[in-house]
Amino acid sequence: NAGVTQTPKFQVLKTGQSMTLQCAQDMNHEYMSWYRQDPGMGLRLIHYSVGAGITDQGEVPNGYNVSRSTTEDFPLRLLSAAPSQTSVYFCASSTAGQGPSNGPYFGSGTRLTVV
Amino acid sequence: AQSVTQPDIHITVSEGASLELRCNYSYGATPYLFWYVQSPGQGLQLLLKYFSGDTLVQGIKGFEAEFKRSQSSFNLRKPSVHWSDAAEYFCAVGALRAGRRALTFGSGTRLQVQP
Repeated sequence: NAGVTQTPKFQVLKTGQSMTLQCAQDMNHEYMSWYRQDPGMGLRLIHYSVGAGITDQGEVPNGYNVSRSTTEDFPLRLLSAAPSQTSVYFCASSTAGQGPSNGPYFGSGTRLTVV
Repeated sequence: AQSVTQPDIHITVSEGASLELRCNYSYGATPYLFWYVQSPGQGLQLLLKYFSGDTLVQGIKGFEAEFKRSQSSFNLRKPSVHWSDAAEYFCAVGALRAGRRALTFGSGTRLQVQP
């Protein structure tokens, strides 16, 4: 996947723990988004950003916080993990215009298990 | 609110046969439409997208899709399927937020290819 890096790839948390999922892109894209993927449900939008300092909620924002201090980074924070947040998380980035290389491009994902 | 329906959860085709994956969307204005492919344990790869203009869109790996406004459809096609095409396919629509890059996904169609 072109230029979107997610870390870690796997994580196990205990209920109530906090953690941050990292997402970085090196394409100078202004748009970044976080999704979660659950079996049989496709991907659902958690939060998105249209540029540094600007974020907004998607379809399933509860339990997650985001911030965007730089164009490159868009971390997703779980303040108090719950078993319902067990999922695979994907970050995506894109830029305006209709060109073939404008995306959205997805990272390889973070598989999170909350026990 | 926008939505995407992929009516077929699972499709099996023989190698060399033609393929059509169905996608219906609900959106009030001219949509931005996308098709992604996901191999097991991997991220999503962008196959093609439609923003405007020619309603027949060519993508990577020999895939194409046709936008039909009257049917609210954006079906994905390939004339001859290869065993390596076995994967899950997602259709998505981009609404007005985030430059139409914050996507709403269908629940996916899993493609199995028989030798």
